[in-house]
Amino acid sequence: EPEVTQTPSHQVTQMGQEVILRCVPISNHLYFYWYRQILGQKVEFLVSFYNNEISEKSEIFDDQFSVERPDGSNFTLKIRSTKLEDSAMYFCASRQSGTVNSPLHFGNGTRLTVT
Amino acid sequence: GQSLEQPSEVTAVEGAIVQINCTYQTSGFYGLSWYQQHDGGAPTFLSYNALDGLEETGRFSSFLSRSDSYGYLLLQELQMKDSASYFCAVNRDDKIIFGKGTRLHILP
Repeated sequence: EPEVTQTPSHQVTQMGQEVILRCVPISNHLYFYWYRQILGQKVEFLVSFYNNEISEKSEIFDDQFSVERPDGSNFTLKIRSTKLEDSAMYFCASRQSGTVNSPLHFGNGTRLTVT
Repeated sequence: GQSLEQPSEVTAVEGAIVQINCTYQTSGFYGLSWYQQHDGGAPTFLSYNALDGLEETGRFSSFLSRSDSYGYLLLQELQMKDSASYFCAVNRDDKIIFGKGTRLHILP
């Protein structure tokens, strides 16, 4: 069964550094998402992406965050200058279509630790 | 804005039935989804309700009442592997917003 893949599984970085989290969504999916989950807490929406542009973003997704689909397969999340509070599990997800019953398929996540 | 409320923890016995409730307040509501997340894992899709009523998928069922802004997930014949967190989520436009999750503990 096709799956969403994320790399790396764990990223450690120093405060103020830039990080890029990488995702390869399922190949025939058209809608892409980033969510984050602070340990033991809920899964929080960051951003949705369709047709090579952001379709919606949350208040968490400030100017320090950006997303890109640089080619036909990868979908990246960049944090320009990391803060301690950015430490979390970051999940990439994709959906086949924009119909509201189309489920999200999540990757296994990248655990980001900012020191 | 939007809010989803679900119990933080529920405990049940192996073989029993458990119901996890979810109430929501949101604009632009299209439906209610349920996701399961095991410790250290990714959320996985369980069910989706767009219309009022009960949807059954094997041991799991999900219910929605749009007029009451309420839904629940029903798990039957509980197995130890069902120990996980369960998130209700509202489908809005092209994004899905998750509740805080209910941690299900299963006793042998």
